[in-house]
Amino acid sequence: KQEVTQIPAALSVPEGENLVLNCSFTDSAIYNLQWFRQDPGKGLTSLLLIQSSQREQTSGRLNASLDKSSGRSTLYIAASQPGDSATYLCAASVSGGSYIPTFGRGTSLIVHP
Amino acid sequence: NAGVTQTPKFQVLKTGQSMTLQCAQDMNHNSMYWYRQDPGMGLRLIYYSASEGTTDKGEVPNGYNVSRLNKREFSLRLESAAPSQTSVYFCASRGLAGLQQETQYFGPGTRLLVL
Repeated sequence: KQEVTQIPAALSVPEGENLVLNCSFTDSAIYNLQWFRQDPGKGLTSLLLIQSSQREQTSGRLNASLDKSSGRSTLYIAASQPGDSATYLCAASVSGGSYIPTFGRGTSLIVHP
Repeated sequence: NAGVTQTPKFQVLKTGQSMTLQCAQDMNHNSMYWYRQDPGMGLRLIYYSASEGTTDKGEVPNGYNVSRLNKREFSLRLESAAPSQTSVYFCASRGLAGLQQETQYFGPGTRLLVL
């Protein structure tokens, strides 16, 4: 059974810092890995999706990398802003079957001015 | 293009009452999902539907039933609500695997309180 772990569970940084959020998974036979953002009281919004054949994806100040051999993905946020404050979740879908994603419990990020 | 919509946004039930949570998507997606999110437990899959006409159990299906009414709509029913079902419920949808439609899209959630 796929297990997804996110470290740290919470993070508080000053505005302007570059930061890295970590996601690890136990089954390296993943099909894709997706990063989401969740604001308080809201649903999840997709940020980036990395296919198993890819090493990274970029969108604006966000860069997500994938290393299947080590079972890790990282989300890099450049020049953090208070508007980046949210919970970030990763989800790994395993090859075969119905590609059901398994979610980590998220990293709660606060960027203070 | 509304994406994934859910109704109601908030509901209070008494133990033993029943209700149906509605979900609809307008992206022509094949797969739809129901999750619950609880503090400290993360997102847990209740049921999913890989395509119209099929449904399968997820990690925590007990106490719930689902109906994939058509390609757009996927409902979740609580037949006899229990306090343990107090949670935030999310519906999600996704296109066909293998195509450029694999991003999972989520609705805004339904907050359910069972007294």
